[in-house]
Amino acid sequence: ILNVEQSPQSLHVQEGDSTNFTCSFPSSNFYALHWYRWETAKSPEALFVMTLNGDEKKKGRISATLNTKEGYSYLYIKGSQPEDSATYLCAFDNNDMRFGAGTRLTVKP
Amino acid sequence: KAGVTQTPRYLIKTRGQQVTLSCSPISGHRSVSWYQQTPGQGLQFLFEYFSETQRNKGNFPGRFSGRQFSNSRSEMNVSTLELGDSALYLCASSLDPFIGTDTQYFGPGTRLTVL
Repeated sequence: ILNVEQSPQSLHVQEGDSTNFTCSFPSSNFYALHWYRWETAKSPEALFVMTLNGDEKKKGRISATLNTKEGYSYLYIKGSQPEDSATYLCAFDNNDMRFGAGTRLTVKP
Repeated sequence: KAGVTQTPRYLIKTRGQQVTLSCSPISGHRSVSWYQQTPGQGLQFLFEYFSETQRNKGNFPGRFSGRQFSNSRSEMNVSTLELGDSALYLCASSLDPFIGTDTQYFGPGTRLTVL
């Protein structure tokens, strides 16, 4: 994989549902993987920076895992709330930052 | 602590003109990166400055340039504007890009429209 790919492109879930997204990145020359949340009309907000294979990070209901050998990271949201509605971006950091196109999450009340 | 600030927030220019955008990082941050966001393209890395030196550059033509001052404030310049330069330009600051867990904090962006 040369680029950073995120799936799905968009997701609609009901309040209370748990959900997860995928970020795929080049598995060679890994330095760090970043996750951001970008709400409409706001700036991207950093969620996690992950550097080690097997890393797991957690922030409230949101968690992320990292597999550098196979080149993927998962972001999980447990019990989605309407305020979780945003675009979730991952970025592969290898001296420059390569962003995926994002996953747009909409949580319906 | 004040966040990353960008000026101006909105700008309208015509083809062929040039434009300068400004970014003030969080106090104490020494690295500033610039990104372009267009519909369908996502965030594209332009360049990064650290301690007044360009550390990395993305795949953009030479019309895009930048600089960083001794107080870490950064400016980005686009010369001979084209319609395709219409975009949201974001800057992000961080403490030290040589630290593996260095986190970038984004500003609100400058929306540039080229007519």
